[in-house]
Amino acid sequence: GAVVSQHPSRVICKSGTSVKIECRSLDFQATTMFWYRQFPKQSLMLMATSNEGSKATYEQGVEKDKFLINHASLTLSTLTVTSAHPEDSSFYICSANTGAGGQSETQYFGPGTRLLVL
Amino acid sequence: AQSVTQPDIHITVSEGASLELRCNYSYGATPYLFWYVQSPGQGLQLLLKYFSGDTLVQGIKGFEAEFKRSQSSFNLRKPSVHWSDAAEYFCAVNTGFQKLVFGTGTRLLVSP
Repeated sequence: GAVVSQHPSRVICKSGTSVKIECRSLDFQATTMFWYRQFPKQSLMLMATSNEGSKATYEQGVEKDKFLINHASLTLSTLTVTSAHPEDSSFYICSANTGAGGQSETQYFGPGTRLLVL
Repeated sequence: AQSVTQPDIHITVSEGASLELRCNYSYGATPYLFWYVQSPGQGLQLLLKYFSGDTLVQGIKGFEAEFKRSQSSFNLRKPSVHWSDAAEYFCAVNTGFQKLVFGTGTRLLVSP
């Protein structure tokens, strides 16, 4: 149980275009989803937290107009990188939980999306 | 501010040997601690977690971790490493509001 998928697994796009990444919880209802960014050989940095039906909460330093997050249903959250530039190239990982377990609740991670902006 | 330190960037262990990965945390309240493993190009898989009770927690794949409040540590151990354990290991603390702060990771290499 507790499977999270991401699509696409990798994407290459031209500078200036927008890219949408989907994150789905396959066998549970994800009240809360998280988006992380991971640079090569570095740790995960939380970008934003989204709750179903409400606006995402962005971490300090993350441009909300550049990284649009939509959590329209209990099984789907999307991250859109708008007007992508080469410095946005990274590994984007989502995670999800039910939101019912508090601090001890496990986050279940997707397999990640590798974005390369040319 | 809450933080997690994994002092070892790389560790090489012979197959069959024991393993210990170090993790130290800085958090003012009762920590909720996690160990995740990441294979190349993949997401993270939970190995184990601690939030109360017995300070020695058992996880999947034969891993265990011991919470030591006096040392602010949550080290991961395995008595006998297999070649398939080669991966990146992340320690994390839940800082509240379900946010995870991750350490910088330790890459485990397993030699034959």
